[in-house]
Amino acid sequence: EAGVVQSPRYKIIEKKQPVAFWCNPISGHNTLYWYRQNLGQGPELLIRYENEEAVDDSQLPKDRFSAERLKGVDSTLKIQPAELGDSAVYLCASSLPGLLNEQFFGPGTRLTVL
Amino acid sequence: GQNIDQPTEMTATEGAIVQINCTYQTSGFNGLFWYQQHAGEAPTFLSYNVLDGLEEKGRFSSFLSRSKGYSYLLLKELQMKDSASYLCAVRGNSGNTPLVFGKGTRLSVIA
Repeated sequence: EAGVVQSPRYKIIEKKQPVAFWCNPISGHNTLYWYRQNLGQGPELLIRYENEEAVDDSQLPKDRFSAERLKGVDSTLKIQPAELGDSAVYLCASSLPGLLNEQFFGPGTRLTVL
Repeated sequence: GQNIDQPTEMTATEGAIVQINCTYQTSGFNGLFWYQQHAGEAPTFLSYNVLDGLEEKGRFSSFLSRSKGYSYLLLKELQMKDSASYLCAVRGNSGNTPLVFGKGTRLSVIA
């Protein structure tokens, strides 16, 4: 069974440029999460989807970050414009419905903003 | 709010036993998870506790005391490949409460 797929794996951009990350969750997993992980820290939730509905986006900096999951499968996370402090690893995870189910993480996208 | 505390770094010898502690303060409680994360890789699920007691899974065991807001991950017969960060994560009791991760404990296994 394929795991969570993310692309790109690495991205280097200059500040003020836009950037987008893509995630394909495990087949059948209705719940999708985007996390940001800074060096030496644990992952912090940015947004959670149940199918195509964003049910928790309280931690998403909405002035520059946006996300979508139009057909309830793949998802994209966008930053526009990027700032130096956005440098981090962006992790996508998916799980079966229900908050008690184990989350499976993708390999992440390491973003460097110069 | 929720607060999760675990040691930043630990070092242990190959073949030994190590215990990684996690204390938490949450608004309600609906489960505690342990994840392993090797450098540059994604976190992978190790264990889940929702009731008090010990859950054993091979060389790894996890313990929970809800009244004390305390958990530990026990790794036996340490191997070099166990060198990684170990993340403690807690979920509160609200249906919309996200999983909150601690900062992780970086374990180094030495020969």
